[in-house]
Amino acid sequence: AQTVTQSQPEMSVQEAETVTLSCTYDTSESDYYLFWYKQPPSRQMILVIRQEAYKQQNATENRFSVNFQKAAKSFSLKISDSQLGDAAMYFCAYRDGTSYGKLTFGQGTILTVHP
Amino acid sequence: NAGVMQNPRHLVRRRGQEARLRCSPMKGHSHVYWYRQLPEEGLKFMVYLQKENIIDESGMPKERFSAEFPKEGPSILRIQQVVRGDSAAYFCASSPGIWDRKGYQPQHFGDGTRLSIL
Repeated sequence: AQTVTQSQPEMSVQEAETVTLSCTYDTSESDYYLFWYKQPPSRQMILVIRQEAYKQQNATENRFSVNFQKAAKSFSLKISDSQLGDAAMYFCAYRDGTSYGKLTFGQGTILTVHP
Repeated sequence: NAGVMQNPRHLVRRRGQEARLRCSPMKGHSHVYWYRQLPEEGLKFMVYLQKENIIDESGMPKERFSAEFPKEGPSILRIQQVVRGDSAAYFCASSPGIWDRKGYQPQHFGDGTRLSIL
């Protein structure tokens, strides 16, 4: 079974600085997708960024980028120029490329942004 | 296009009562997923349904929990004889299918139902 591990229960960053959230996963599949979701206090699940395992290039969405290391099964999220609105719980998630879409989530990392 | 609608937003039940959680997928979406989020934890997959069919219920507790997605109307997650341990946020997600020309179709999440058991 696939597992997703986020080893940082909490992280903090100063406004305008950069922070990196860690995620590792375990799978025997070669085709899969990885995601970072943001969950603010409102509890919405907001898709931040996604990465296809077959793509070597790291995904980027504005201030958010990932460092995808397939051999190491590592998928970290970098937030540049942090803003107060980035404060939330962040979840890393995995989806098997051949399945119907079931997501496996990590435990989450609470990100605090200090003004 | 309205998003995934879940209701109620909050539901309070006493131990032994039944809880019914509703999920209306986005228009045109025929695939529904239910996830449960216990306090201080990530979301855990419960069940995957297509219209009138349960495809995968491997994450669903064997007793007291059931789900349906009828031909007409919302998907329902039903919990009978609730216990304190059922207190959690329950999320529904929908997608129009599994794959498209770009590869996969992402799931769109509702805002969840927070179930509290007294």
